[in-house]
Amino acid sequence: SQTIHQWPATLVQPVGSPLSLECTVEGTSNPNLYWYRQAAGRGLQLLFYSVGIGQISSEVPQNLSASRPQDRQFILSSKKLLLSDSGFYLCAWSPGNGFYEQYFGPGTRLTVT
Amino acid sequence: QKEVEQNSGPLSVPEGAIASLNCTYSDRVSQSFFWYRQYSGKSPELIMSIYSNGDKEDGRFTAQLNKASQYVSLLIRDSQPSDSATYLCAVNIFNAGNNRKLIWGLGTSLAVNP
Repeated sequence: SQTIHQWPATLVQPVGSPLSLECTVEGTSNPNLYWYRQAAGRGLQLLFYSVGIGQISSEVPQNLSASRPQDRQFILSSKKLLLSDSGFYLCAWSPGNGFYEQYFGPGTRLTVT
Repeated sequence: QKEVEQNSGPLSVPEGAIASLNCTYSDRVSQSFFWYRQYSGKSPELIMSIYSNGDKEDGRFTAQLNKASQYVSLLIRDSQPSDSATYLCAVNIFNAGNNRKLIWGLGTSLAVNP
């Protein structure tokens, strides 16, 4: 069966510090991968998605970036965090090939202070 | 701007009752529809998917789709306190690059009272 991992689970970072969140998927190959952010009391905001290694599409202009160095690894980064970057960061995968359901990892709760 | 709309709630039902959650969407060419459950502080969990008009049942859950009315609903029979959560509706769309994404509603908060 497929499993998706995210770490860390929680993170407190000062404004201006860098960020690196990692997501890995097991048990599937060539998944579509997604990064979402959910601010407190808000909906899911799609940040990036990837259909293959090195292929990244950005949905919202911001100070975040994403990379996919391996088929089942997806990384979210920032060089300098802003207060507005606080939120619940969720990685998700979907099988692709005509199946669109997405499966979420446990998430990382980021607080920028 | 393609949208998915849900009543924010809270929807409050007594234990054992039927909870009815509704969702409308704007993109007529959408083909796949999903319901997710999100407990407070946790990530969303897929509970139902539906692809064709009509009803789809899975245990206590029934998803209903009406593409002509651009409407999808979720019924929860015999509601339990453990069903108390936020329910998210998601609809697939195709963007200009023919890559598939989901558009999400803001969710309906459900409270099942013992």
